Amino acid sequence: KAGVTQTPRYLIKTRGQQVTLSCSPISGHRSVSWYQQTPGQGLQFLFEYFSETQRNKGNFPGRFSGRQFSNSRSEMNVSTLELGDSALYLCASSLEPAYNEQFFGPGTRLTVL
Amino acid sequence: AQSVTQLDSQVPVFEEAPVELRCNYSSSVSVYLFWYVQYPNQGLQLLLKYLSGSTLVKGINGFEAEFNKSQTSFHLRKPSVHISDTAEYFCAAILNTGFQKLVFGTGTRLLVSP
Repeated sequence: KAGVTQTPRYLIKTRGQQVTLSCSPISGHRSVSWYQQTPGQGLQFLFEYFSETQRNKGNFPGRFSGRQFSNSRSEMNVSTLELGDSALYLCASSLEPAYNEQFFGPGTRLTVL
Repeated sequence: AQSVTQLDSQVPVFEEAPVELRCNYSSSVSVYLFWYVQYPNQGLQLLLKYLSGSTLVKGINGFEAEFNKSQTSFHLRKPSVHISDTAEYFCAAILNTGFQKLVFGTGTRLLVSP
């Protein structure tokens, strides 16, 4: 069974631009969560989607948004990029919401210049 | 207070020595506890999890952890480490707020030297 895939793996953007990251969960998994990982703040929860609905959201500004499609694939969008948005963005999928094992993708490394 | 605390930011150890990585949790989290490992430039891989039942949990790569409710701890152990165990280790728990959000500790970097 294929694992969680994330595209692109690396991105370089400039301040003020917007970016869209994509996540394809493991086949059959309906829950997708997103996390931001930075050296200073560690791993922080962004949001979780289940059956195309956002179930849970972390403490991030409205510039961070996401959605989930009927095939469970998910995208997250960051508008008006800031230098501090440079991070590794990780996607995780699970059969059901979070108390089951979450399987993580390799991440998208976003650099904002 | 932190929901999940990993007091050791870095643990150096020699190959074939035993290691313990410490994790304590607060009352704000449930007792669904996890340990993840992250190798350089990769995502997180689940080592083991505690949901209920036996307090001694065995995971992959020879790791095990013990859930201790009285000490609110979930320490990770391995009796003999390899160079390949060099990585970042994260303890995590589900927040006990009605929303099943995974919260992570700050991570412990395990450095195994020959």
